[in-house]
Order: sequence, then structure tokens, then C-alpha cells
Amino acid sequence: DTAVSQTPKYLVTQMGNDKSIKCEQNLGHDTMYWYKQDSKKFLKIMFSYNNKELIINETVPNRFSPKSPDKAHLNLHINSLELGDSAVYFCASSQRALSAGGETQYFGPGTRLLVL
Amino acid sequence: AQSVTQLGSHVSVSEGALVLLRCNYSSSVPPYLFWYVQYPNQGLQLLLKYTSAATLVKGINGFEAEFKKSETSFHLTKPSAHMSDAAEYFCAVSDLGGSEKLVFGKGTKLTVNP
Repeated sequence: DTAVSQTPKYLVTQMGNDKSIKCEQNLGHDTMYWYKQDSKKFLKIMFSYNNKELIINETVPNRFSPKSPDKAHLNLHINSLELGDSAVYFCASSQRALSAGGETQYFGPGTRLLVL
Repeated sequence: AQSVTQLGSHVSVSEGALVLLRCNYSSSVPPYLFWYVQYPNQGLQLLLKYTSAATLVKGINGFEAEFKKSETSFHLTKPSAHMSDAAEYFCAVSDLGGSEKLVFGKGTKLTVNP
């Protein structure tokens, strides 16, 4: 009955590889997000989708491509992985975006990516 | 652009002592403000949020925060620290552009000493 789940939990890979992280929420929310937490614990938004439509696309390398097959899923594909991509990636969801604001975001457990 | 500043990257208190974690925001309009907690190797969990209703907000686990517009602050407090409160705490502001993205502070690591 996990609200926001991510797979895999850990991902260790070589530079240059392509990898995907999957996220699913069973809260019935309209909006999903990807955040990156670096080694100093700093969290930054990467992308957000509202009802499968991209609404936030921060300054992220083109090697990162989100995909939302339906509003309950938001996957993150990363091409040509680099050392600097090593981080914890968090998925989150909220009831709706483009609203009056203040919606609570519910976070997944994170995916710890290590690029060697 | 919205931003938050958390004063003190590390705070250490004794069990039973007052917890005070500081957060100041930068916003030209009344913002929406959040405190999240992250336990080791886990995701973030909402402690409380301010959405322009009451200025004193009560959250889970005995935490509360007071929105002070004159000081542009939203400090988090708990009267008596418990060992289980040891975690990383993040203050965040919600973007008012309607996108709901959260802009986080750099976090404060709370250590509770027995």
C-alpha cells in the first residue's frame, strides 16, 4: 500500500550506460515530479508532469528524459551516464498543480544512483 | 524568484531540550511554506505547511512553526527533543507561478544527544 514507489532503490552502473528509474503513485494525484538530491543533500526540481503533460523542465541536460505513460507513472531515462549524475533521485506527487498553491507533495523513498 | 535560507547546517541538542530550526524566505508576495523531514536513507515526509490560514502551524510529532511576515521567517520548533527526532530537516517554499514546484533550503541536520 505504498503511496509513491520507485524502482530500483539502488542503481550502480558504469559511465556511458543508459538507465531508467520508474515511479508509480497510487494516490490518484494529477501531478508528479522528479527531484535530484546531491551529495550535500541539496534538493532541486528537475521535471514535473500534470496529467501526462510536462509543466516544469528545469535546466537539466538533454540526456535526462522523463516519460509519463499515464498520470500514475513518471519514469526517468538517463542516457550516457556521467560521474556527476551520481545522486539520489526522488519522485513525488501532489493532488494537482496549476491550483491556488500549497499542495502537499508526497515523496518516494528515492533511488540511489552511483556512476562508476 | 522564491528562495529559502536555513541558518545552521547542523544543530545539536540534548534529549528533552528545545529544538529550534531557522528558516527565512524571500518572496514578494505571501508564500506557501513547508517543513519536510528526511530520516537516514528515506524519502521526505511533510511535517507541516503554511498556506495563509493560521500563522501558527502545528504539525506531526509535536513540531510547530510560526509564520512571521515582518521577519520573513518560518522557524520550526519542538518543546522537547526526542532521540527519534534526529534527521535532516528541509524548509521549502512553493513556487507561486502555479507549477507547484518546491524550492528547498540546504537543510539542517539535527542531532539529539542522550
